[in-house]
Amino acid sequence: DAGVTQSPTHLIKTRGQQVTLRCSPISGHKSVSWYQQVLGQGPQFIFQYYEKEERGRGNFPDRFSARQFPNYSSELNVNALLLGDSALYLCASSPTLTNEQFFGPGTRLTVL
Amino acid sequence: ELKVEQNPLFLSMQEGKNYTIYCNYSTTSDRLYWYRQDPGKSLESLFVLLSNGAVKQEGRLMASLDTKARLSTLHITAAVHDLSATYFCAVDAGSGTYKYIFGTGTRLKVLA
Repeated sequence: DAGVTQSPTHLIKTRGQQVTLRCSPISGHKSVSWYQQVLGQGPQFIFQYYEKEERGRGNFPDRFSARQFPNYSSELNVNALLLGDSALYLCASSPTLTNEQFFGPGTRLTVL
Repeated sequence: ELKVEQNPLFLSMQEGKNYTIYCNYSTTSDRLYWYRQDPGKSLESLFVLLSNGAVKQEGRLMASLDTKARLSTLHITAAVHDLSATYFCAVDAGSGTYKYIFGTGTRLKVLA
């Protein structure tokens, strides 16, 4: 069975631009979470979606937004990119809200 | 707010030696996860600990959970070079927040 998939693998943007990251959960999983991992730190929670509704939000500015589609895939959008947004963005899926989360390979975003 | 601390942050050890990584967390939770991360890669699930007193072992790694002490340990037995990686613990914040709070990570280097 396929695991969590994310696209693109790598992305380079300049300050002020906007970016969209995509995530496909494991088949049958209805919950998707997003995490940001800055180099040398642990992942930080951004959002969790379940059944297309936002169920949790971390301490990130409004420049960060996300949504979940009827097929349970998800997009993370970041507007007005800053240098500090450079990070590995991880998507995780779980069958329900409270089950173990399984992480995808991540999208490496570099903001110049 | 839930805080998760790991120590040590860095660990350099000789092959064949034993060592323990500690994960302390600040509020009640009965779900704790250990992950391994290789440079530039995503998170690999190692252990899921779901109750007080849980102990799990896989190869040279053994994890335990003491929910009363709010402490988890990851014990390494007879380390080998292939165990070199960064290890994270993550605590399920629970209480309807549906997010993982990650520790700071322990960067392990096993010297031949």
